[in-house]
Amino acid sequence: QKEVEQNSGPLSVPEGAIASLNCTYSDRGSQSFFWYRQYSGKSPELIMSIYSNGDKEDGRFTAQLNKASQYVSLLIRDSQPSDSATYLCAVYGGYQKVTFGIGTKLQVIP
Amino acid sequence: KAGVTQTPRYLIKTRGQQVTLSCSPISGHRSVSWYQQTPGQGLQFLFEYFSETQRNKGNFPGRFSGRQFSNSRSEMNVSTLELGDSALYLCASSGEYEAFFGQGTRLTVV
Repeated sequence: QKEVEQNSGPLSVPEGAIASLNCTYSDRGSQSFFWYRQYSGKSPELIMSIYSNGDKEDGRFTAQLNKASQYVSLLIRDSQPSDSATYLCAVYGGYQKVTFGIGTKLQVIP
Repeated sequence: KAGVTQTPRYLIKTRGQQVTLSCSPISGHRSVSWYQQTPGQGLQFLFEYFSETQRNKGNFPGRFSGRQFSNSRSEMNVSTLELGDSALYLCASSGEYEAFFGQGTRLTVV
């Protein structure tokens, strides 16, 4: 079983819609969770972090964490074409070990 | 605070040659992970080093190797290059809570 699983996509949503990106992880001891955005040909950049159960909002982005079910999600409200990118889920398990999913490609259709 | 530095940024090699890529992590980060990303593909994990020891390894052939020095800088080596090794190679530096990526090295094998 992969440690961090994401659907590779592509996930296509119309402009203005909500994009929902999901991620599951296997290590119940995982402590922190992150979302990275990667534009084509570029390096991934950290956009959200979440450490406790519930929702965390930052502008149009909301990260959701459910440790009991071992999943973390990222919601993008009012999706824009500029949000088209690959979104990587990452899980921190202690001892400076961060594990990444393969990423979900998001396409926002104008 | 300096970011993650990868050198060189671009590289063109011939089939059969070998190549060495370098990654200097953020000061204080002891974990360095390497990833391969080919066009249209997700992030493929190569290996991770922590305090000069390889802690995890992905499913890549033995032509891919790496090492980490006492100052946490890491190198990866690919021997007997194949056309399919053409990719963006990313390193991620992990600290106590977060991971950051370098700009990547784009390797082209001709």
